[in-house]
Amino acid sequence: GNSVTQMEGPVTLSEEAFLTINCTYTATGYPSLFWYVQYPGEGLQLLLKATKADDKGSNKGFEATYRKETTSFHLEKGSVQVSDSAVYFCALSGRGSYIPTFGRGTSLIVHP
Amino acid sequence: EAGVTQFPSHSVIEKGQTVTLRCDPISGHDNLYWYRRVMGKEIKFLLHFVKESKQDESGMPNNRFLAERTGGTYSTLKVQPAELEDSGVYFCASSQGNEQYFGPGTRLTVT
Repeated sequence: GNSVTQMEGPVTLSEEAFLTINCTYTATGYPSLFWYVQYPGEGLQLLLKATKADDKGSNKGFEATYRKETTSFHLEKGSVQVSDSAVYFCALSGRGSYIPTFGRGTSLIVHP
Repeated sequence: EAGVTQFPSHSVIEKGQTVTLRCDPISGHDNLYWYRRVMGKEIKFLLHFVKESKQDESGMPNNRFLAERTGGTYSTLKVQPAELEDSGVYFCASSQGNEQYFGPGTRLTVT
């Protein structure tokens, strides 16, 4: 079956540091890949997505590239802000399915 | 436009009691989904409504969980009787197309 593995948190960074949150997946076929973010007290929001190999999703300074050869979709940001503190979930959905398979989430804490 | 709302935000109950969680989807969204995140683990799919019909309930853990969506608007998820392992955060999401919009979740603690 499908599964997503992401690095355990919390990840603690200083403002303006570089961020990487690793995500690898197992799936049959060619899934779509997603990063969701949950800010404190809010619902999950779709942050970015990629639907085929070598696609790069980007939003709010975050990027992730769909790497089929390494089955990875690592999330990166060049300079994090305190407001980026949240829980980040990597997810995938198979072709024809709208139900995501989520990873365990990675908490990011950015301090001034 | 209002997003997906859930009530209550937090519920603490004793083992054996009953709890009902409510989800109000975005107006006009036919699809409504329930998910659960047990502490520190993955967010798991529970079930999917299309309007008032259950499209997929393959993720429901057992018959202590009952979901309804009368009239195709809001949905309730009842846990009866609650067990300790039911503790977690219950998310609701709605959609009209591919993208799901999530609510803030209800944190359920069973003691």
